[in-house]
Amino acid sequence: KQEVTQIPAALSVPEGENLVLNCSFTDSAIYNLQWFRQDPGKGLTSLLLIQSSQREQTSGRLNASLDKSSGRSTLYIAASQPGDSATYLCAFDSNYQLIWGAGTKLIIKP
Amino acid sequence: GAGVSQSPSNKVTEKGKDVELRCDPISGHTALYWYRQSLGQGLEFLIYFQGNSAPDKSGLPSDRFSAERTGGSVSTLTIQRTQQEDSAVYLCASSFGLGFYNSPLHFGNGTRLTVT
Repeated sequence: KQEVTQIPAALSVPEGENLVLNCSFTDSAIYNLQWFRQDPGKGLTSLLLIQSSQREQTSGRLNASLDKSSGRSTLYIAASQPGDSATYLCAFDSNYQLIWGAGTKLIIKP
Repeated sequence: GAGVSQSPSNKVTEKGKDVELRCDPISGHTALYWYRQSLGQGLEFLIYFQGNSAPDKSGLPSDRFSAERTGGSVSTLTIQRTQQEDSAVYLCASSFGLGFYNSPLHFGNGTRLTVT
């Protein structure tokens, strides 16, 4: 059974730091990966989509990588800002089933 | 509309009443998903549609839950005889195709359901 683990479950860092959020999965037969953020009381906002043939995607201060051989994806946030505070979730699609991590709650302290 | 629209945004209902939640996906999106999120918890898959067909209903918690989609567009999630444990945020998402192939998943802002 495919499982997705996000580590850490919560993270608090000072503003300006670079940070990495981790997402690991048990089955390399995944197709595509998407990272989302969720603000309190809101739905999920798509951040980055990495298709199976790709290894990474970048958008502004965000960079996401996908390494299927090691069963891992990372979300790198550069020069963190208080507005980055949110819960970050990763999800994979595997044969059209979407498998979700439980999320990392990120707090950026001013 | 430009995004996934869900209505109502908030719903308070008495235990035992039926409720209907609506999702209007992005135009042209053939895949539609319903999820439930309880306070402080992750996403719980309920059901997905490919067009008007629901190939996987395995996530529906009980037979009190049902969903339909018509015209390959709007979907409604119906909960009959609501119970307090049904209280949660119900999220709808849509994409051009199943999974993330060539298309990210777009979420609505959800319907917060409170059963008193």
